[in-house]
Amino acid sequence: AQKVTQAQTEISVVEKEDVTLDCVYETRDTTYYLFWYKQPPSGELVFLIRRNSFDEQNEISGRYSWNFQKSTSSFNFTITASQVVDSAVYFCALHTGGFKTIFGAGTRLFVKA
Amino acid sequence: NAGVTQTPKFQVLKTGQSMTLQCAQDMNHEYMSWYRQDPGMGLRLIHYSVGAGITDQGEVPNGYNVSRSTTEDFPLRLLSAAPSQTSVYFCASRATGSQETQYFGPGTRLLVL
Repeated sequence: AQKVTQAQTEISVVEKEDVTLDCVYETRDTTYYLFWYKQPPSGELVFLIRRNSFDEQNEISGRYSWNFQKSTSSFNFTITASQVVDSAVYFCALHTGGFKTIFGAGTRLFVKA
Repeated sequence: NAGVTQTPKFQVLKTGQSMTLQCAQDMNHEYMSWYRQDPGMGLRLIHYSVGAGITDQGEVPNGYNVSRSTTEDFPLRLLSAAPSQTSVYFCASRATGSQETQYFGPGTRLLVL
């Protein structure tokens, strides 16, 4: 069975704090793809990053960084020096060889000024 | 490119009414899908299509129909609306290939009274 778990339902931080959003996945496939999406209060879903199962290199994009560890089946997302505009719901998703993408339940991030 | 478009943005229905949620994409993507988003449950796949004339059920297909007569359009029909179908509906498309990223429409907020 394939599953994505985002154990943190809500996180609240003060601006400029660093925050890590956890994502744990389950799959028996050896080839798969992991995604992070952001859903701001306006409601749209914005693609942030894609990572394939053969590439465990961490990635940094500005204040965002992602840590992919196959050994722990985790694909965590860190925001450095958080800002109010980072307030959103963040979804982790898993796609394998079929046509279905499995989404986690999402983590709601509140960044207070 | 407009990307993925959805209409209407918001709809109120009475129990038992039927309606069609429209979705169109101009990226020539073969794969299209419909999700519903409910609080605390992430996005759940309703139906998907891998090309014109080909559709299949997702995780929560009951009460919904789809068809795909063209590459561009993928309408979702609610046959007899129920309060349990109150949700936010997202249409998505992606190119063929498991590694491809899904792009989402802006969503349709549906309220069934």
